Amino acid sequence: DQQVKQNSPSLSVQEGRISILNCDYTNSMFDYFLWYKKYPAEGPTFLISISSIKDKNEDGRFTVFLNKSAKHLSLHIVPSQPGDSAVYFCAAMNAGNMLTFGGGTRLMVKP
Amino acid sequence: GAGVSQTPSNKVTEKGKYVELRCDPISGHTALYWYRQSLGQGPEFLIYFQGTGAADDSGLPNDRFFAVRPEGSVSTLKIQRTERGDSAVYLCASSSLAVSYNEQFFGPGTRLTVL
Repeated sequence: DQQVKQNSPSLSVQEGRISILNCDYTNSMFDYFLWYKKYPAEGPTFLISISSIKDKNEDGRFTVFLNKSAKHLSLHIVPSQPGDSAVYFCAAMNAGNMLTFGGGTRLMVKP
Repeated sequence: GAGVSQTPSNKVTEKGKYVELRCDPISGHTALYWYRQSLGQGPEFLIYFQGTGAADDSGLPNDRFFAVRPEGSVSTLKIQRTERGDSAVYLCASSSLAVSYNEQFFGPGTRLTVL
């Protein structure tokens, strides 16, 4: 039973345009959400997070939106750059301990 | 400063053999996590240490898997009687619990292949 789902395995975007990556979760006990970025042969690196008491968090080109009623969050990257090409994982946390990850979305930003 | 390191980076073994995977967390981080990432999937939680003790080992798939952290720093994940289904990238992460809901820093992983 997947508690965190990323339904799009891949996404292709033109450089300069907006990238929108989506994530859905089922466990209403999750109260903190994170996005990680992963390059091949490297571990995931933290990108941005959001607490369940907020609905938006912004950091430079990256914004995460949380819709608690829909159990949905999204990551917006604008403008997208070729260096953003990577696999993006959505993750959720309960009680501040282990992370539950989605299956990942491979983002390709074309020059 | 140094990040999380994991050794070896790659391990190829035969079915039925015993393997040990090592994780060196960021200095001073009290929490240490092991995850397993199978091909095409996201990382899955295995075990979490707070100091020397395993605070949550609910993700270990069966009793062939065991992990230790005897001095509260380096951790070793041990897999007995390996099976082909154990092939995956094993990721280690550490975090400082001085702040709640803090970031977990991941190592590069150990790619385990069981032939």
